[in-house]
Amino acid sequence: NAGVTQTPKFQVLKTGQSMTLQCAQDMNHNSMYWYRQDPGMGLRLIYYSASEGTTDKGEVPNGYNVSRLNKREFSLRLESAAPSQTSVYFCASNSRRLYNSPLHFGNGTRLTVT
Amino acid sequence: EDQVTQSPEALRLQEGESSSLNCSYTVSGLRGLFWYRQDPGKGPEFLFTLYSAGEEKEKERLKATLTKKESFLHITAPKPEDSATYLCAVGFTTQGGSEKLVFGKGTKLTVNP
Repeated sequence: NAGVTQTPKFQVLKTGQSMTLQCAQDMNHNSMYWYRQDPGMGLRLIYYSASEGTTDKGEVPNGYNVSRLNKREFSLRLESAAPSQTSVYFCASNSRRLYNSPLHFGNGTRLTVT
Repeated sequence: EDQVTQSPEALRLQEGESSSLNCSYTVSGLRGLFWYRQDPGKGPEFLFTLYSAGEEKEKERLKATLTKKESFLHITAPKPEDSATYLCAVGFTTQGGSEKLVFGKGTKLTVNP
């Protein structure tokens, strides 16, 4: 019972490098989300996809792009990484929008940008 | 101004010592309040959803309650395995009609044997 799977688990980038964080869910959920978690701050929404084929900006979208590849997969891309993007990134999914049903989270990608 | 505030930031209990965690919110148009548990190196795990003032939900040693301004997570006779960070999230409709979910910063609970 995989739930939400994120890859990679850890990544170190140099400033200016690019990378894509992958996320897949096997619960047939319509909505998927990308959050970042930083010390002393609550989880902050980067981008979300309410359904296959749609994406929308969240609270902190600058420096990121997303792709909803199909119903299962939602990727997050950093085109030119900056030290401020050092964080733990969580992918989540649910069957309906935001507050209508609980979020199911992956175990995160720990990203360090030097 | 924080819309969701959790207190205390950290709490140390002895095994069996009951206590409560608080989540206060200032949003209007509450649509749901969620509690999650997060273990080190893991993603948050859903515990409860509360939708209206007066509602209560229980799971093992945990009981969540909701008023118009805050929610409490009561932990009865905790065990060391209850040690984790507990997150509160509030879902609401903004004045502009969009929906939003805001997380608190969490309470780190440590239960000593």
